[in-house]
Amino acid sequence: EAGVTQFPSHSVIEKGQTVTLRCDPISGHDNLYWYRRVMGKEIKFLLHFVKESKQDESGMPNNRFLAERTGGTYSTLKVQPAELEDSGVYFCASSLVGGAPLHFGNGTRLTVT
Amino acid sequence: SQELEQSPQSLIVQEGKNLTINCTSSKTLYGLYWYKQKYGEGLIFLMMLQKGGEEKSHEKITAKLDEKKQQSSLHITASQPSHAGIYLCGADNNNDMRFGAGTRLTVKP
Repeated sequence: EAGVTQFPSHSVIEKGQTVTLRCDPISGHDNLYWYRRVMGKEIKFLLHFVKESKQDESGMPNNRFLAERTGGTYSTLKVQPAELEDSGVYFCASSLVGGAPLHFGNGTRLTVT
Repeated sequence: SQELEQSPQSLIVQEGKNLTINCTSSKTLYGLYWYKQKYGEGLIFLMMLQKGGEEKSHEKITAKLDEKKQQSSLHITASQPSHAGIYLCGADNNNDMRFGAGTRLTVKP
């Protein structure tokens, strides 16, 4: 089966611009998670979808971040406007049921200059 | 929320040596996961532990969860360069996952 795919793999944008990251989970996985790893720090939880609903978005840093999962399939994470501190690697993961091992994508490396 | 502390932060070992990475939780662990990340790749699931005293092995990697379910260790026997990467422990937190800061392992040939 195809794994979790993320697009783009790298993105370099200027401060103030907008970037949209996409995640395609494994087909049939209702649970979709976004994580972020800022350089040198731990991976931090951003939010969790169950199908199209936001189960937990307590990790979203501020209202410049908007995540959607229309139709309960792929998800997008938009950052608008981007700030320097948003740089890092954004991981997406999916699981069949809550609590099951997560399957991670390769991440999107975002650099804000 | 669940706090996970990993030690050491980084580790450099000679090929063939054994090593141990620790993960300590501030709360009782109901599901403890070990992942490995190689640069440019996503996280690869290694093992999951749920029961106190549980121990699992895969090839040369063994993970244990203590009886109190607040500490886990990952042990690699006879390390190889292919073991190099970042090892992260993750814990279930109301069906979400929280991670430790990771341990960067370098294996010198």
